[in-house]
Amino acid sequence: DQQVKQNSPSLSVQEGRISILNCDYTNSMFDYFLWYKKYPAEGPTFLISISSIKDKNEDGRFTVFLNKSAKHLSLHIVPSQPGDSAVYFCAAISQGGSEKLVFGKGTKLTVNP
Amino acid sequence: ETGVTQSPTHLIKTRGQQVTLRCSSQSGHNTVSWYQQALGQGPQFIFQYYREEENGRGNFPPRFSGLQFPNYSSELNVNALELDDSALYLCASSLGPRGQPQHFGDGTRLSIL
Repeated sequence: DQQVKQNSPSLSVQEGRISILNCDYTNSMFDYFLWYKKYPAEGPTFLISISSIKDKNEDGRFTVFLNKSAKHLSLHIVPSQPGDSAVYFCAAISQGGSEKLVFGKGTKLTVNP
Repeated sequence: ETGVTQSPTHLIKTRGQQVTLRCSSQSGHNTVSWYQQALGQGPQFIFQYYREEENGRGNFPPRFSGLQFPNYSSELNVNALELDDSALYLCASSLGPRGQPQHFGDGTRLSIL
């Protein structure tokens, strides 16, 4: 039973445009969400996070939006750059419960020059 | 600041053998979590170590075991290797069992023949 779902295995956008990566979750106990970026042959690198008490968090070109009622979050990258091409993982955790991060399967983003 | 380091980078074993993977946590981090990432999947939580004790375990059989040392480094041991154990094994460190974000190493690619 997949508790964190990234339904788009891949996404292709033009350089300079917006990239929107989506993530849905089923466990209402999740209260903290993270996005990681992964390049081939490297480990996941933390990108941005959001607590369930917020609905938006920004860090430079990256913004994460959380819609708790829909159990949905999205990562916006504006403007997209070729160096953003990577696999993006959404992860969730229930900080009051177990300590384990639950990951989605990832979305491969390709930013074309 | 030293990041998370894992060794070896790659490993080839045969069915039935045993393997030990090693992880050094990021400086200042006292908690280590291990994940298995199969091809096309997101990382799956194996277990976490804090204060040299197992502190939470995912859905993995007992032949997956671990250790944490006083310097916070950690080992993952897998006995009686099976073909399905072929995966990327990731180690992540954090400040405390609920510390976020977790910081990942580049992983050990384990192939079982």
